[in-house]
Amino acid sequence: KAGVTQTPRYLIKTRGQQVTLSCSPISGHRSVSWYQQTPGQGLQFLFEYFSETQRNKGNFPGRFSGRQFSNSRSEMNVSTLELGDSALYLCASSLGSGADEKLFFGSGTQLSVL
Amino acid sequence: GQQLNQSPQSMFIQEGEDVSMNCTSSSIFNTWLWYKQEPGEGPVLLIALYKAGELTSNGRLTAQFGITRKDSFLNISASIPSDVGIYFCAGQISGTSYGKLTFGQGTILTVHP
Repeated sequence: KAGVTQTPRYLIKTRGQQVTLSCSPISGHRSVSWYQQTPGQGLQFLFEYFSETQRNKGNFPGRFSGRQFSNSRSEMNVSTLELGDSALYLCASSLGSGADEKLFFGSGTQLSVL
Repeated sequence: GQQLNQSPQSMFIQEGEDVSMNCTSSSIFNTWLWYKQEPGEGPVLLIALYKAGELTSNGRLTAQFGITRKDSFLNISASIPSDVGIYFCAGQISGTSYGKLTFGQGTILTVHP
């Protein structure tokens, strides 16, 4: 069974640009969550999608957005990039029942903002 | 907001030694998860705990869900060089916290051959 796939692995952008990251969940998983990982703040929850609907959201500005498609694949978009957005962005998939969940992470997209 | 305090922050041990790390929270969680992360990779799920007092093993790893539901610990027995990495605890409140895990700061484990 293939794991969670994230593309691209690495991205370099400049301030002010926007970026789109992609995540394909484990087959059969309908929930996709996104996390930001930085040395200073650790792993922080961005948002979660299930059946193309955002069910939960963390404390990030509106520049961070996402969506989910009917095949459960998800994309995350960051607009007007800032230097502080440099981070490892991780997505995780799960069945989506909301109870006794196991979240499985992808390898992440390393974003560098110059 | 909820915070998880994970300790120790780092450990330097000899191959063959046992390792213990723990997480404490000011809030109650319904689920505790333990992950390991290696450089350039995402966290890999090691053990999942769902009931207070639950003790679960996965090979040389053993984890327990504290009876107060505010803490958890992870033990690694007879460490080997490939145990090197960062270990994270994570807690989740079931039902409404869809997809949201609260993570500890991580324990950096170094194993000397």
